[in-house]
Amino acid sequence: SQQGEEDPQALSIQEGENATMNCSYKTSINNLQWYRQNSGRGLVHLILIRSNEREKHSGRLRVTLDTSKKSSSLLITASRAADTASYFCATVPGYDYKLSFGAGTTVTVRA
Amino acid sequence: GAGVSQSPSNKVTEKGKDVELRCDPISGHTALYWYRQRLGQGLEFLIYFQGNSAPDKSGLPSDRFSAERTGESVSTLTIQRTQQEDSAVYLCASSPGLAPNTGELFFGEGSRLTVL
Repeated sequence: SQQGEEDPQALSIQEGENATMNCSYKTSINNLQWYRQNSGRGLVHLILIRSNEREKHSGRLRVTLDTSKKSSSLLITASRAADTASYFCATVPGYDYKLSFGAGTTVTVRA
Repeated sequence: GAGVSQSPSNKVTEKGKDVELRCDPISGHTALYWYRQRLGQGLEFLIYFQGNSAPDKSGLPSDRFSAERTGESVSTLTIQRTQQEDSAVYLCASSPGLAPNTGELFFGEGSRLTVL
């Protein structure tokens, strides 16, 4: 069963704008990860945030984690056409090692 | 190689045939995962190998699915008597240790299976 649920399912923005997507999950976690998948390709790891962290940055990416609400957000600032992809959150339950993925948010960045 | 390698990249087969998908993990990675991704959906866990421990097969959808891994090297996923609902991209991922608690998974490009 899916642990993470992304919202929105799809997002279309203009180049230069920010893109925000959210992930909610059901059980307590060890860590939460975000991955990107370009069309027809494998997944690429973007960022990992641990359960005792609240915010993390990597380049133009900012991830927040609110364990009380069981939710996370991924912000991509100053988007580029190359950011067009599907973005997945993946959680590691505290009692398990299997990475459980949501259905993803499809982001389209218009030039 | 530098990354996780999967073959074939595309496979078209007839219903009822058996197929074998191969995954070459990154050298030295002890953990190996198989996931299935249906069109437009997220990833569905199939099986997990960690070193020489017994694999976690809890995600295999039926007894038509099986997987093997020799030590910390190549893994094969076998689907017997394929059905149309088996059509999907099968993704393999590896990790250096007791991930994902300690870090990221490295994914291959996937094997796209189409069952006619």
